[in-house]
Amino acid sequence: GNSVTQMEGPVTLSEEAFLTINCTYTATGYPSLFWYVQYPGEGLQLLLKATKADDKGSNKGFEATYRKETTSFHLEKGSVQVSDSAVYFCALRGYSSASKIIFGSGTRLSIRP
Amino acid sequence: DADVTQTPRNRITKTGKRIMLECSQTKGHDRMYWYRQDPGLGLRLIYYSFDVKDINKGEISDGYSVSRQAQAKFSLSLESAIPNQTALYFCATSESGQKNTEAFFGQGTRLTVV
Repeated sequence: GNSVTQMEGPVTLSEEAFLTINCTYTATGYPSLFWYVQYPGEGLQLLLKATKADDKGSNKGFEATYRKETTSFHLEKGSVQVSDSAVYFCALRGYSSASKIIFGSGTRLSIRP
Repeated sequence: DADVTQTPRNRITKTGKRIMLECSQTKGHDRMYWYRQDPGLGLRLIYYSFDVKDINKGEISDGYSVSRQAQAKFSLSLESAIPNQTALYFCATSESGQKNTEAFFGQGTRLTVV
């Protein structure tokens, strides 16, 4: 079945550091891929998405590229801010209309001033 | 008002009690989901519904039941709560048919079983 594996946290960085959170997936066909963010005390909200190979999703300075050859969708940001502290989830939805959304285990990110 | 509303936001209940968590949405989506979040385990799918007459078990449905009362309402019940059901519960919705549409989440219900 479909699955998502993302790097374990917590990840702690200094402000303005470069961020990478790794995500790899297993799925048949061409799933859609998502990154969600959960700020403290809140629900999940979509950060970015990509729906086909080589697509790049971007939002709020974050980027992720859909890499079919490596089955990866790594999240990156060039210069993180304290306000980026949150839990980040990688997710996929399979190509079938009957597919449900599968989430990774989440990565907690903390940014030091 | 939120597009996906969960009630209650917080609940403490005793072992053995029956409890219902409710979810309503104004997005007009056919698909609704219940997830459970535990530290280090991410979100795990409990049940999902692709329309009012379609209910499916997720990966951790034991000890839970659901009811899709209408397109806009999807409730989760714990028939006899136990302490290891203490968790943060999320309801979500998505459109049907399009694989590239994302899920929209409620604010979550924090349930504690003592």
